[in-house]
Amino acid sequence: GEDVEQSLFLSVREGDSSVINCTYTDSSSTYLYWYKQEPGAGLQLLTYIFSNMDMKQDQRLTVLLNKKDKHLSLRIADTQTGDSAIYFCAEAEGGYNKLIFGAGTRLAVHP
Amino acid sequence: DAEITQSPRHKITETGRQVTLACHQTWNHNNMFWYRQDLGHGLRLIHYSYGVQDTNKGEVSDGYSVSRSNTEDLPLTLESAASSQTSVYFCASSQGTAGSGNTIYFGEGSWLTVV
Repeated sequence: GEDVEQSLFLSVREGDSSVINCTYTDSSSTYLYWYKQEPGAGLQLLTYIFSNMDMKQDQRLTVLLNKKDKHLSLRIADTQTGDSAIYFCAEAEGGYNKLIFGAGTRLAVHP
Repeated sequence: DAEITQSPRHKITETGRQVTLACHQTWNHNNMFWYRQDLGHGLRLIHYSYGVQDTNKGEVSDGYSVSRSNTEDLPLTLESAASSQTSVYFCASSQGTAGSGNTIYFGEGSWLTVV
C-alpha cells in the first residue's frame, strides 16, 4: 500500500535554512502537500506541488520534487523560532480525495 | 468566515462508554474526513464521506462509525471506547478532489482520553 516516510526530528539554528525530507510510494500521486502543526493546534496547509513540477517557491518556502526517486523536500530559508512546529508531508492517494500522511518531522529552532 | 469546528475539544471517558465527537463545517464542502493522530504514526484515516448518505471506511475504522445526514456535519462515534482509542482526533473537509489540488481544511482537534 501507499506509504509516506519522514525523519522524525530536525534541529536548526535561528537564521539558518531548514530542509525537511519526505519519500512516498504512490507513483500515481498527482499532488503532494506540506502541512504545519503548531503545538495544540490543527494542521495548516503550507504549500503543495503538482507532480509535473520540479520546484515551487513561495516566499521563504521552496518545495523540490524528484519524481524518479519519489522524494519531496521542503526548504525554509532564514528559519525563525516561529517556524518551530511539526511538518507533515502528504500525498493524495491515487489522485482521489484521501490524503496519506507521513509521521511528521518536528522542527526545533534554537538561538 | 467559513470554518470547521470540532467539539468537545477535550474529553475524558471511561472504557466501554459510547462517545461521539462532533464536526461541523460551514463551507458546504462535499468531502469530510476523520483522522486520528498518534505519536510516530502521523495522521491515519478513520472514516470519510463524499456526500450526504455516503460513508466509507479508512485504514483504522474498527471501533468507529460515522453518519452523514446533512452536508455540514460528520459525527464520529466510538461504540465502546477502549484505551487504544486515546488519541487526538481531527476532522477535515474539502471540495472536489485532493488529487486536483483542492485544499483540505482541518479542525483544531479533539483530545480524547479513555481511562
